[in-house]
Amino acid sequence: GAVVSQHPSRVICKSGTSVKIECRSLDFQATTMFWYRQFPKQSLMLMATSNEGSKATYEQGVEKDKFLINHASLTLSTLTVTSAHPEDSSFYICSASLLVAGVQETQYFGPGTRLLVL
Amino acid sequence: AQSVAQPEDQVNVAEGNPLTVKCTYSVSGNPYLFWYVQYPNRGLQFLLKYITGDNLVKGSYGFEAEFNKSQTSFHLKKPSALVSDSALYFCAVRDFDFNKFYFGSGTKLNVKP
Repeated sequence: GAVVSQHPSRVICKSGTSVKIECRSLDFQATTMFWYRQFPKQSLMLMATSNEGSKATYEQGVEKDKFLINHASLTLSTLTVTSAHPEDSSFYICSASLLVAGVQETQYFGPGTRLLVL
Repeated sequence: AQSVAQPEDQVNVAEGNPLTVKCTYSVSGNPYLFWYVQYPNRGLQFLLKYITGDNLVKGSYGFEAEFNKSQTSFHLKKPSALVSDSALYFCAVRDFDFNKFYFGSGTKLNVKP
């Protein structure tokens, strides 16, 4: 149980285009999903917290107009990188938080999306 | 603020030997602690967690971790390492106030045959 999927797993795009990444919790309802960015050989950097039906909460330094997050249902959150540039190239990972007795306990991670902007 | 520290960037161990990956934490209140493993170009996989109860927590793939409140540590251990255990390991702590997790910098485990 507690499987999270991401699509696509890898995407290459031209500078200036927008890219949408989907994150789905396959066998549980996730009231909260998280989006991370990971640079090579570094830890995960939390970008934003996404709550179903409400606006995402962005971490300091993350441009909300650049990284659009939509959490339309309890099983789907999307991250859109708008007008992507080469410096946006990175590994993007989502996670979904499993609610246990009203407490968001463990996070389960998607397999990640490798974005390369040319 | 909550935080975790992984003092070792890399740990090398021979196959069959015991392994330890270190993690120390700083939290206000009771800690919720986690270990995750990441294989190349993959997301993180949950290994184990400490919420409350026994200080020795058993997890996936034969891993275990010992919660030590006095030393504020949550080291990951395995009695006998496998080459397939080679990966990047992250310790994490949950911050209830802000509903987020804080991750350590990661430790690369190399198990040599």
